[in-house]
Amino acid sequence: AQTVTQSQPEMSVQEAETVTLSCTYDTSESNYYLFWYKQPPSRQMILVIRQEAYKQQNATENRFSVNFQKAAKSFSLKISDSQLGDTAMYFCAFKTSNTGNQFYFGTGTSLTVIP
Amino acid sequence: AAGVIQSPRHLIKEKRETATLKCYPIPRHDTVYWYQQGPGQDPQFLISFYEKMQSDKGSIPDRFSAQQFSDYHSELNMSSLELGDSALYFCASSSPPGSQGSDTQYFGPGTRLTVL
Repeated sequence: AQTVTQSQPEMSVQEAETVTLSCTYDTSESNYYLFWYKQPPSRQMILVIRQEAYKQQNATENRFSVNFQKAAKSFSLKISDSQLGDTAMYFCAFKTSNTGNQFYFGTGTSLTVIP
Repeated sequence: AAGVIQSPRHLIKEKRETATLKCYPIPRHDTVYWYQQGPGQDPQFLISFYEKMQSDKGSIPDRFSAQQFSDYHSELNMSSLELGDSALYFCASSSPPGSQGSDTQYFGPGTRLTVL
């Protein structure tokens, strides 16, 4: 079974500071993909960053970067220079190559950026 | 860039009524996915289609059905609506298998269904 765990239901960070959201997953597959999606109050699901499991290099997208630890099955998201617009629910998601197209989502972390 | 389009954005129905949600994928995307997100919950996968054929099935109730048409748009049909069906319904699409980024799903803005 594929599972995704986000152990931090809520987090807050001061504007311009750095915050790290944690995500762990469980799978027996060797080839898979990991994602972070952002869901602001508008409820739109926005792709933040993606990581392919076979790539050792951590993905980065501007102020967003991940710390992918394959052996530990950990996939944390670091947001640098936090901005008010980063306030949102963040979902970690996981997809394997061998179990179809289904995404498995974590329960989300609600991030609030404090001015 | 064009995104996934969903209509309607908001829908209010009575119990036992039917509803039809529509999804128009990103141009040249041939795979469509449907998710249900209840209040305070993560999205739950319902069903997906690839090239007009059902490709995966998740926790979709028997009262729901879906299909993908020749222009790749998809419709989710929901019958005998229950109060518990009130949720945000997302459609997502992805590019053809083997193409760059085909593993990534791009979500539409969602349809908020309220069942009274």
